[in-house]
Order: sequence, then structure tokens, then C-alpha cells
Amino acid sequence: EPEVTQTPSHQVTQMGQEVILRCVPISNHLYFYWYRQILGQKVEFLVSFYNNEISEKSEIFDDQFSVERPDGSNFTLKIRSTKLEDSAMYFCASSYARYQHFGDGTRLSIL
Amino acid sequence: SQQGEEDPQALSIQEGENATMNCSYKTSINNLQWYRQNSGRGLVHLILIRSNEREKHSGRLRVTLDTSKKSSSLLITASRAADTASYFCATLKLDSNYQLIWGAGTKLIIKP
Repeated sequence: EPEVTQTPSHQVTQMGQEVILRCVPISNHLYFYWYRQILGQKVEFLVSFYNNEISEKSEIFDDQFSVERPDGSNFTLKIRSTKLEDSAMYFCASSYARYQHFGDGTRLSIL
Repeated sequence: SQQGEEDPQALSIQEGENATMNCSYKTSINNLQWYRQNSGRGLVHLILIRSNEREKHSGRLRVTLDTSKKSSSLLITASRAADTASYFCATLKLDSNYQLIWGAGTKLIIKP
């Protein structure tokens, strides 16, 4: 069964550094998403992406975040200047219609 | 917030028993979804129930929805060790096509 794949599985970064999280959505999917889950807290929506542009974003998704689909397969989340509170699991998801399929996540640790 | 809480927060039962988890929400919904998350893994979609449905089955899963009480339950029958995971309910944010709003989840442990 097709899967959403995310790399790396664990990223350790110094505070203030830029980080790029990568995702390869399922190939025929049209909608792409990023969520995050801070340890012990709820999953939170960050952004959705359709037709090469952001379709919705949450209040969390401020100017330090950006998303890109640089080619036909990758979908990236960039955090420009990381903060300690950005430490979390970041999940990428994709969907063709209603059901969102999730990757296994990238654990981001900010030191 | 739109989403209420799941209860219980944690549930530990013997293999073979049934497990029931509940989810409450606060606003009107079009549908409610249940997801499973194995430790260290992503979220796996289990089942979606529409607001005009009261009950839905999928294998050993049974989901109910009571829109008057704004609550849903997930029943796993004849539990197995492999069912050990966290279970989350999620609803679409009002006026959104994409944003899933998540509950805090129930951590289910099946003892062999």
C-alpha cells in the first residue's frame, strides 16, 4: 500500500538555525498537510496545500514557517529560525479526497 | 476550542476483552473520524462516521455518534495485543475543508 514518507526521522538543531523537514506524499494525492504534536499534547494543524499554494493555515503557522512543493514528489516544511518551543513531532499528510494519510513523522529537537 | 476530550485518558485491559473509548466535541460537525497511533509511528485512519449516521462498523471496530450529546464512542471487540496504541478522534474545523481538530487521545494497553 502506498505510504507517505518523511525524512529525517529525527532532527536535532541548534536554536536559531533553519531546518527543513521533508515529505514524499502518496503520488496521486492532491492535498498536502503539515501537523505537529508537542510531547504529551494534542495534534495541531499547521497548514494545508493544494494546487501549489497554501489553502489554509493555523495561527501557529507564522512567518517563520513556509512550505514548498519544489518538484512533483516532495513537500517540505521550513522553519526559518527555530525556537525551543518548536520541539515536537511533525507529521506530513496527504489526501486525494476525504481521508488524510499520515507519515511516521519527524521528531524535531531544538537545543 | 472545538474539540472536547477523549475518555478515558488511559485504558488497560486483558486480551480478548472489549475496549470502549469516548470522544466529545463542542460544535456542529459534518463527520467525525477515528485514528490510531502506534508508539513512534504516524496516525492511521480507522473509520469515518457522518453526522447523519448513528453507528458504523468496520471489522472489530464499532463507532457510534450521538449528535445530540456531541459525543462518539469507539468500541474494539475481542482486543488483541496489536491493538495497543493511542486512539484519537478528529473533526473538521468549522468552515474549513482541511483542518482536522484533534482530541487528546486515549492510550490503550492490551495485556496478554
